[in-house]
Amino acid sequence: KAGVTQTPRYLIKTRGQQVTLSCSPISGHRSVSWYQQTPGQGLQFLFEYFSETQRNKGNFPGRFSGRQFSNSRSEMNVSTLELGDSALYLCASSLGRGDEQFFGPGTRLTVL
Amino acid sequence: AQSVTQLGSHVSVSEGALVLLRCNYSSSVPPYLFWYVQYPNQGLQLLLKYTSAATLVKGINGFEAEFKKSETSFHLTKPSAHMSDAAEYFCAVSLSGGYNKLIFGAGTRLAVHP
Repeated sequence: KAGVTQTPRYLIKTRGQQVTLSCSPISGHRSVSWYQQTPGQGLQFLFEYFSETQRNKGNFPGRFSGRQFSNSRSEMNVSTLELGDSALYLCASSLGRGDEQFFGPGTRLTVL
Repeated sequence: AQSVTQLGSHVSVSEGALVLLRCNYSSSVPPYLFWYVQYPNQGLQLLLKYTSAATLVKGINGFEAEFKKSETSFHLTKPSAHMSDAAEYFCAVSLSGGYNKLIFGAGTRLAVHP
């Protein structure tokens, strides 16, 4: 069974631009969560989607948004990029509530 | 509110020595607890999880952890370290039966030297 895939793996953007990251969950998984990992703040929860509905949201500004499609694939969008948005963005999928989360390799975003 | 504290951002052990990584949690409701490992340039891999069953949890690669409610701890141990155990380890908590929101500790980088 294929694992969680994230595209692209690396991305370089400049301040003020916007970016879209993609996550394909394990087949059959309906929950997709997103996390931001930085050296200063560590791993922080962004949001979770289940059956196309945002079920939970972390403490991030509105510039960070996401969505989930009917095939459970998810996208995350960051608008008006800031230098501090440089991070590893991790996506995790699970069958449902409380089930083990399987993480993808992440997308490394660098904002110049 | 839930939180996780990992004592020691860096731990160094000799190959073959005991590995002990400390994790204390705070939660107002019975928690689910997890240990994840992250190798360089990779995502997170689940080592083990506690979900209110047995308090001693055995995971992959010879790791285990014990849930101690009285101490609010969930320390990770391995009897004998291997060079391949060198990585960063994260303890995480979520609400039992709740949504899939993991609250992570700051992480502990484990170094294993010959």
